[in-house]
Amino acid sequence: DGGITQSPKYLFRKEGQNVTLSCEQNLNHDAMYWYRQDPGQGLRLIYYSQIVNDFQKGDIAEGYSVSREKKESFPLTVTSAQKNPTAFYLCASSPLRGLEQFFGPGTRLTVL
Amino acid sequence: SQELEQSPQSLIVQEGKNLTINCTSSKTLYGLYWYKQKYGEGLIFLMMLQKGGEEKSHEKITAKLDEKKQQSSLHITASQPSHAGIYLCGADTNAGKSTFGDGTTLTVKP
Repeated sequence: DGGITQSPKYLFRKEGQNVTLSCEQNLNHDAMYWYRQDPGQGLRLIYYSQIVNDFQKGDIAEGYSVSREKKESFPLTVTSAQKNPTAFYLCASSPLRGLEQFFGPGTRLTVL
Repeated sequence: SQELEQSPQSLIVQEGKNLTINCTSSKTLYGLYWYKQKYGEGLIFLMMLQKGGEEKSHEKITAKLDEKKQQSSLHITASQPSHAGIYLCGADTNAGKSTFGDGTTLTVKP
């Protein structure tokens, strides 16, 4: 089955630690995205990538980093510089920019 | 920056009733998407609208984009408990980024 997976579903970390969220897709999509969702709010774009080895900052990139070494993988690192990292993180992919995005199930990160 | 405003923020309807959710943009929309989300899960794509005046339907859900391409509505006919969830509109901006509304939480009472 083609799809997009995120792991883990729930993640707990101590304040000051970096943490990496996984996102994998086997849809052969070129574009991949990371969003953050806070309670009662919509999605805010953190980073996106339109092609391997290239990525662009979204609206709230500070305190986050990404890599796109393979077409199917787009991991997100939440660094200790992110002041309020506790949130629900969603990864998405699309064949190209401007087409509908397919979303993973999300990772809920809690920083203690 | 382009913002999307959704209304209402939340909606409680009796099963079988019709309802409408609105999504308004401050700028011309280049592509408008409707998604549905169950709490704590990913988004499920519903429909995409691109042309002014465009209307699309899927089962009992109809979405329209106005002629000026600044407002979209999502209409559900004869609502069912399975329609419950969070509905989000999203759009591509002319800067090549994606933006989303804050979502409308729909509760359907049996």
